[in-house]
Amino acid sequence: ETGVTQTPRHLVMGMTNKKSLKCEQHLGHNAMYWYKQSAKKPLELMFVYSLEERVENNSVPSRFSPECPNSSHLFLHLHTLQPEDSALYLCASSQDFPGAHEQYFGPGTRLTVT
Amino acid sequence: TQLLEQSPQFLSIQEGENLTVYCNSSSVFSSLQWYRQEPGEGPVLLVTVVTGGEVKKLKRLTFQFGDARKDSSLHITAAQPGDTGLYLCAGGGSNTGKLIFGQGTTLQVKP
Repeated sequence: ETGVTQTPRHLVMGMTNKKSLKCEQHLGHNAMYWYKQSAKKPLELMFVYSLEERVENNSVPSRFSPECPNSSHLFLHLHTLQPEDSALYLCASSQDFPGAHEQYFGPGTRLTVT
Repeated sequence: TQLLEQSPQFLSIQEGENLTVYCNSSSVFSSLQWYRQEPGEGPVLLVTVVTGGEVKKLKRLTFQFGDARKDSSLHITAAQPGDTGLYLCAGGGSNTGKLIFGQGTTLQVKP
């Protein structure tokens, strides 16, 4: 595997479900990110981890809970989501944070909340 | 708050035509990236420009960073259907590691 991988690619969940998104980077980077991409809106940064430590939390509701067990893996735990949370969730990595602005993205998880 | 405005938001052209996409801000950025995103996939980094006035070429794509590092343009020569996708510009702040993204330009190239 190369680059940044994300699983699952598609997820449909009810508002009372609990699910997790997984991201893995094979680039040897020290920083990982979660973004939300909704139609006709710029990418929204959700969380940033640097060396497994959370360094940014952009006012994200507590129903989204990130976890970074090591510098190669990043999770986004989801619970009690709302229909407006339906979007493409993208994971990215960069060499460092702050400092390295080139980010490499995974293919995303298309989330639908019913 | 730093913002990046991209124009046009949507562009539909015939194969072989030329086009330019613009990315503008009132803020200065230390770097500017361009990404292309195809449906169902994540953005793929095309280029990074860091110096005011810098021009970079990637086959038929020409990227320019404005002299004041507040704006950038992407010019595609003789567009092909394979160029179809969402083009995103992203600015890197000098004091923060975060990227500010434009809302994107959707390009459709018809055969």
